[in-house]
Amino acid sequence: DAEITQSPRHKITETGRQVTLACHQTWNHNNMFWYRQDLGHGLRLIHYSYGVQDTNKGEVSDGYSVSRSNTEDLPLTLESAASSQTSVYFCASSEWRERPQYFGPGTRLLVL
Amino acid sequence: AQTVTQSQPEMSVQEAETVTLSCTYDTSESDYYLFWYKQPPSRQMILVIRQEAYKQQNATENRFSVNFQKAAKSFSLKISDSQLGDAAMYFCAYRNRDDKIIFGKGTRLHILP
Repeated sequence: DAEITQSPRHKITETGRQVTLACHQTWNHNNMFWYRQDLGHGLRLIHYSYGVQDTNKGEVSDGYSVSRSNTEDLPLTLESAASSQTSVYFCASSEWRERPQYFGPGTRLLVL
Repeated sequence: AQTVTQSQPEMSVQEAETVTLSCTYDTSESDYYLFWYKQPPSRQMILVIRQEAYKQQNATENRFSVNFQKAAKSFSLKISDSQLGDAAMYFCAYRNRDDKIIFGKGTRLHILP
């Protein structure tokens, strides 16, 4: 069955370290998204991509970057982790907006 | 920019009763999609129901239905015959023409046995 996976599911890191969160989908969707979820804020969009080599900044993109070298993967990199980036991160993908947007299981990141 | 507002941070309902979760949104677009997502303790985001803005008929999915008032920019979720498994955080969400989703801050629903 097609799916969307995230790894790792849990991560503890130290401030200043570079961290990469993986997102992989097997639906061959063009659109992929990264969100973060914090108490009192719901989910907020970090970065998104409409296809290979396309990346765009979302609402809360400072301190994050993404790259899209193939259709299946959109890794999220925290260039220098900060305690304010402690959060739960969700990846999502969709074919286009007429179709559902599917979410991965989430990655819980703790920055100490 | 679009915004989504859920004015009820928490709600409780007796098992088997009906509950309505409120959501309002703001947009200048005429063509968009609205959703309710459920997030149980597992944190998995589960699509509950969706509504296309161009459709006047309210969407229904089994015990879940919406009251979509386009002019008022209101999109409430009604859960009938509430069950213990309905306990979760519920997010109202707006999907714009660029396929980006804007979420409300959520309503935590408690089911009382």
